[in-house]
Amino acid sequence: DAGITQSPRYKITETGRQVTLMCHQTWSHSYMFWYRQDLGHGLRLIYYSAAADITDKGEVPDGYVVSRSKTENFPLTLESATRSQTSVYFCASTPFSRGGETQYFGPGTRLLVL
Amino acid sequence: RKEVEQDPGPFNVPEGATVAFNCTYSNSASQSFFWYRQDCRKEPKLLMSVYSSGNEDGRFTAQLNRASQYISLLIRDSKLSDSATYLCVVNEGGKLIFGQGTELSVKP
Repeated sequence: DAGITQSPRYKITETGRQVTLMCHQTWSHSYMFWYRQDLGHGLRLIYYSAAADITDKGEVPDGYVVSRSKTENFPLTLESATRSQTSVYFCASTPFSRGGETQYFGPGTRLLVL
Repeated sequence: RKEVEQDPGPFNVPEGATVAFNCTYSNSASQSFFWYRQDCRKEPKLLMSVYSSGNEDGRFTAQLNRASQYISLLIRDSKLSDSATYLCVVNEGGKLIFGQGTELSVKP
């Protein structure tokens, strides 16, 4: 019963490098989400996906790219990492047919950009 | 103005105390409401949904006032294990909007 997993759990990278954060869920949930969490802010939505091959921007999408070729995977790529992207990243999914219902979160990836 | 506002705290209370958190939201068209709990920057977990009629789950009671755009969470008989950050969450147009959270610390 793995649920929703994220990898890596911790990542240190340098400015300008490309980084991909992985998210995998075993529930076959339609909706998946990426959030970032920073001190002084609530979780902020980066991108979300309603189904395979359907993605859309959230509140803070700049500098990020997503894809969803399979229902269970939703990778988030930082094309050229910046210090301002240092954050905790959470992936989430929901079994509901609408996105704005109860969501289940992965354990998070802590990213440090030097 | 933030879409979902909470007092960040911290609220420091003794075991057994009753504590209440409040939250306001800006969009009157918001459709559903939740309280999530987050421990030490781990993943948020759903604590309870919030309904217009109010709802209770053991020691926890949630209330919604749509006219005032206000949500509350009451915790009775606080336990040490209740120490966490409580996130107020609002559904706006199919997306969840999170408040920054209220930190609760329950002391022996």
